Amino acid sequence: EDKVVQSPLSLVVHEGDTVTLNCSYEVTNFRSLLWYKQEKKAPTFLFMLTSSGIEKKSGRLSSILDKKELFSILNITATQTGDSAIYLCAGGGQGAQKLVFGQGTRLTINP
Amino acid sequence: GAGVSQSPRYKVAKRGQDVALRCDPISGHVSLFWYQQALGQGPEFLTYFQNEAQLDKSGLPSDRFFAERPEGSVSTLKIQRTQQEDSAVYLCASIPTGGSYEQYFGPGTRLTVT
Repeated sequence: EDKVVQSPLSLVVHEGDTVTLNCSYEVTNFRSLLWYKQEKKAPTFLFMLTSSGIEKKSGRLSSILDKKELFSILNITATQTGDSAIYLCAGGGQGAQKLVFGQGTRLTINP
Repeated sequence: GAGVSQSPRYKVAKRGQDVALRCDPISGHVSLFWYQQALGQGPEFLTYFQNEAQLDKSGLPSDRFFAERPEGSVSTLKIQRTQQEDSAVYLCASIPTGGSYEQYFGPGTRLTVT
């Protein structure tokens, strides 16, 4: 059975800190790993990773995929209170567009 | 439209009632997905449409759950004889083509069964 596991489940840090969120996956015929940010409403897309070792960056956020070890990390530098959210990781397999989500990491940034 | 919309945003149902949840995907998006997100959990796949065809319904938890997309745009998720364990946020997502994985999510419908 396909599964995605995220850690930690919860993380509380101070504004300005750097955080690393982890995601390991077992997805049949794996094609893509996606990261989403979920505040009180719709998950919003952050990154999609398909190739191993290539870092994707967007401002203070970056992510990388390791297809040999079957994991991905999401880094956030110089955290701000607006980064407080649940971060979801999801895997997609070839031939099936459905995503298998992890449980999410609840990130809280204290001022 | 500007994004995926869902209605109602909140629904309270008494146990045993039937409910219908609506999803309006982004105009022109071919594929549509329904997910169930229980409190403190990640979304779990329910079912998937490509145009009007329901290609995968393996995630529907029981035969009380039924989804349709008769004209290949708006979709409705129906839950019959609701039970307390059906309480969750129901998310709809769409993608523009069959080959993309980047799903655009709606705000969800929070269903509470009392």
